[in-house]
Amino acid sequence: HVLLQESGPRLVKAAETLSLTCGVSGGFSTNKWWSWVRQPPGKGLEWIGEVYHSGGTNYLPSLESRVTISVDKSNNQFSLKLSSVTAADTAVYYCARARASSGLFGILDVWGKGTTVTVSS
Amino acid sequence: DIKMTQSPSSLSASIGDKVTITCQASQDISYYLNWYQHKLGTAPKLLIYDASRLETGVPSRFSGSGSGTDFTLTISSLQPEDIATYYCQQYDNLPDTFGQGTRLDIK
Repeated sequence: HVLLQESGPRLVKAAETLSLTCGVSGGFSTNKWWSWVRQPPGKGLEWIGEVYHSGGTNYLPSLESRVTISVDKSNNQFSLKLSSVTAADTAVYYCARARASSGLFGILDVWGKGTTVTVSS
Repeated sequence: DIKMTQSPSSLSASIGDKVTITCQASQDISYYLNWYQHKLGTAPKLLIYDASRLETGVPSRFSGSGSGTDFTLTISSLQPEDIATYYCQQYDNLPDTFGQGTRLDIK
């Protein structure tokens, strides 16, 4: 039974870098993608990006210049870094596991509980 | 990016009612469509994957249908614990994209 848990600072100053880690317990599979999704206040879910166990990544184009997602297999975790944050980056951030169907990964079947990050001016 | 449009944006129904939520993709996504239930303060929960496949452990009153650009989530008999916001998500093309959500509450 896989569990995910987000951790990191809840308050980040504008123009600085948001850093979150997702700890994976119960199985850090090599045939899954590991994803980040966020929900700004009063808005819907937004996919940020994902990382494969080999380190390959995919990002939301509108965030690609500011985002880095990486994997740390030795510690069973993966991380999100978002640079030059503004108030628009204030959101609940979720980590999630993506499994495949017919060769395409994108079924988000395990989620962390989420962590609220506020960008302050 | 593929745009996902859900309707309605909000919905009120009575316990026991049949509830239908629709999701339309801006281009053909085959069956690469998932549905999630999201309750306030909790993690989203996968209900349906590949348009019509029920995730393990999800009650059978939930069902999904559709392919191509038009999809439907149906709750056959609404229960109090179904009050939540529902999202569709396509994963046929990167970036994955979600619908704007349908908020479901009790009439």
